[in-house]
Amino acid sequence: LAKTTQPISMDSYEGQEVNITCSHNNIATNDYITWYQQFPSQGPRFIIQGYKTKVTNEVASLFIPADRKSSTLSLPRVSLSDTAVYYCLVGDIISSGSARQLTFGSGTQLTVLP
Amino acid sequence: ETGVTQTPRHLVMGMTNKKSLKCEQHLGHNAMYWYKQSAKKPLELMFVYNFKEQTENNSVPSRFSPECPNSSHLFLHLHTLQPEDSALYLCASSQGNSGSPSSYEQYFGPGTRLTVT
Repeated sequence: LAKTTQPISMDSYEGQEVNITCSHNNIATNDYITWYQQFPSQGPRFIIQGYKTKVTNEVASLFIPADRKSSTLSLPRVSLSDTAVYYCLVGDIISSGSARQLTFGSGTQLTVLP
Repeated sequence: ETGVTQTPRHLVMGMTNKKSLKCEQHLGHNAMYWYKQSAKKPLELMFVYNFKEQTENNSVPSRFSPECPNSSHLFLHLHTLQPEDSALYLCASSQGNSGSPSSYEQYFGPGTRLTVT
């Protein structure tokens, strides 16, 4: 079971780049790494997903080293509206056939200050 | 608007009541999920349905009973709940194709805030 470890909280200022790292030492070969964003009283929202190396979309970048035991979500030039909880998710629900393979981390509360 | 709706948004029930939570997705997905989110705890996956097959988390008490009549609808039937079951219950869906990276992108509903008195 690939558990994840993230910092509990981070503070940043508007316009800065924010990097949030997630540790997943027991990641399995078939596991993908997915990051979600959650605002209070809302469901999580997909940000980005990757398997190895680097992935970039219009919102963020995801860096995954060769050993895949960690990943770093990079948010460029954050704004106040990026204040939220960010979850690192490692798993492979579908092919594993087991709900136990899906593990959300404890999440990182990012607070962007003016 | 994520394409996943949940009703009711808020629910207060006594420990002897029976109620049901409803989730509907309009995305053409084949996998649906129930999550529980308690205060200051990680999201906890409760149940998964993939192409109508249920994968159940064995740690979920039997007072929670899921039902997936078709790929668009998911229910969570509740009976004789305990106060510690008070939480935000989230429904999600995804494509559900085995081996497809896009299957891991889950779309979440707004959740049902449940209070058990």
